[in-house]
Amino acid sequence: AQTVTQSQPEMSVQEAETVTLSCTYDTSESNYYLFWYKQPPSRQMILVIRQEAYKQQNATENRFSVNFQKAAKSFSLKISDSQLGDTAMYFCAFMKGGLSGTYKYIFGTGTRLKVLA
Amino acid sequence: GAVVSQHPSRVICKSGTSVKIECRSLDFQATTMFWYRQFPKQSLMLMATSNEGSKATYEQGVEKDKFLINHASLTLSTLTVTSAHPEDSSFYICSAKWTGSNEKLFFGSGTQLSVL
Repeated sequence: AQTVTQSQPEMSVQEAETVTLSCTYDTSESNYYLFWYKQPPSRQMILVIRQEAYKQQNATENRFSVNFQKAAKSFSLKISDSQLGDTAMYFCAFMKGGLSGTYKYIFGTGTRLKVLA
Repeated sequence: GAVVSQHPSRVICKSGTSVKIECRSLDFQATTMFWYRQFPKQSLMLMATSNEGSKATYEQGVEKDKFLINHASLTLSTLTVTSAHPEDSSFYICSAKWTGSNEKLFFGSGTQLSVL
């Protein structure tokens, strides 16, 4: 069974600074996807970034980038130039891919990020 | 991006009543939708997978007779909490699978259920 672990329950960062959120996962699958979702106080889940396991290149989306280490089963999220609007709960998620994939997401326990003015 | 609408956003009901929550994909067809439950300051727990035109697949420990799921069309799935009790109070979130160029899930805005 797959598991997703986020070892940092809470973090804080000064506005305009950079912060890295950690995520590790365990799987025997070779074809899978990893995601970071953001859940602000509104509780709407928002996709931040997506990584296909077969791609060696790390995904980037504007100020958000990942460090995907497949052998180490690590998938950290770096937020550059942090903004007050980045304050949210961040969830790392795993999804098994391929034709046999059911597209069930397995979520980590989340990291609560607070950006300080 | 794709939009998933979830209704109602908040509902308060008396113990013993049933509550229906709707999840609609507004601008795409979703053959598969998912229902999650989230307790305060906790992660999302998958309750069931809803497939259009077939029975839902429930996760272990989720009572299928308590949480009725219907996915009658490609854009609508409903979750009915039957004979709700205070322990059913929670935040319920639906998501729909987008099968565009990059497969991903889009989430509804959630429903806060409070059972008195």
